[in-house]
Amino acid sequence: QKEVEQDPGPLSVPEGAIVSLNCTYSNSAFQYFMWYRQYSRKGPELLMYTYSSGNKEDGRFTAQVDKSSKYISLFIRDSQPSDSATYLCAMSRAGGGNKLTFGTGTQLKVEL
Amino acid sequence: DTEVTQTPKHLVMGMTNKKSLKCEQHMGHRAMYWYKQKAKKPPELMFVYSYEKLSINESVPSRFSPECPNSSLLNLHLHALQPEDSALYLCASSRGQGGVGGGPDTQYFGPGTRLTVL
Repeated sequence: QKEVEQDPGPLSVPEGAIVSLNCTYSNSAFQYFMWYRQYSRKGPELLMYTYSSGNKEDGRFTAQVDKSSKYISLFIRDSQPSDSATYLCAMSRAGGGNKLTFGTGTQLKVEL
Repeated sequence: DTEVTQTPKHLVMGMTNKKSLKCEQHMGHRAMYWYKQKAKKPPELMFVYSYEKLSINESVPSRFSPECPNSSLLNLHLHALQPEDSALYLCASSRGQGGVGGGPDTQYFGPGTRLTVL
């Protein structure tokens, strides 16, 4: 079993839809949770990070962490074609030498 | 300036060539990373430099040789690579310590160098 599981998609939604992207994890030592967006043939771009259970909002993006269920989510409201990319969740342990454990990434396509 | 730059953007090399990838950041970060990413896969950590010292080597073959000349620069020297080494090579940097308020030491990635080994 992988430490971090993420549905690879592809996920196709119409413009304006609410998108839900999810990751589950098995290692309860993970304390920090990040979402990266990666456009084709580009480097990952940090979208958001959280380090506690609950919600964190930034514009159209909301990150949610449920440590009791070992489940994290990223919601995108009013999705735009420019949101079409691969979304990677990443996690790290406190005192873990800053090693990130990535999910496989979910490919999202927002269609006009 | 929140940018990590990498050169070259693309590199094609033969199996007997020697080449180098370069990475630079001017954010005052003290940790720098090399990752390898194959198509439709997440990045795989190769090396971590912390305060210009190699702190993590993820059992990478010796045909990859990292170098950190100073706190802003990171190189990856390549020699006698194999076709299966073709990938996107990503550099990242971070502060090298925990974030404000106990947050993570978040990593910022460069655009990558797309390497093709013939």
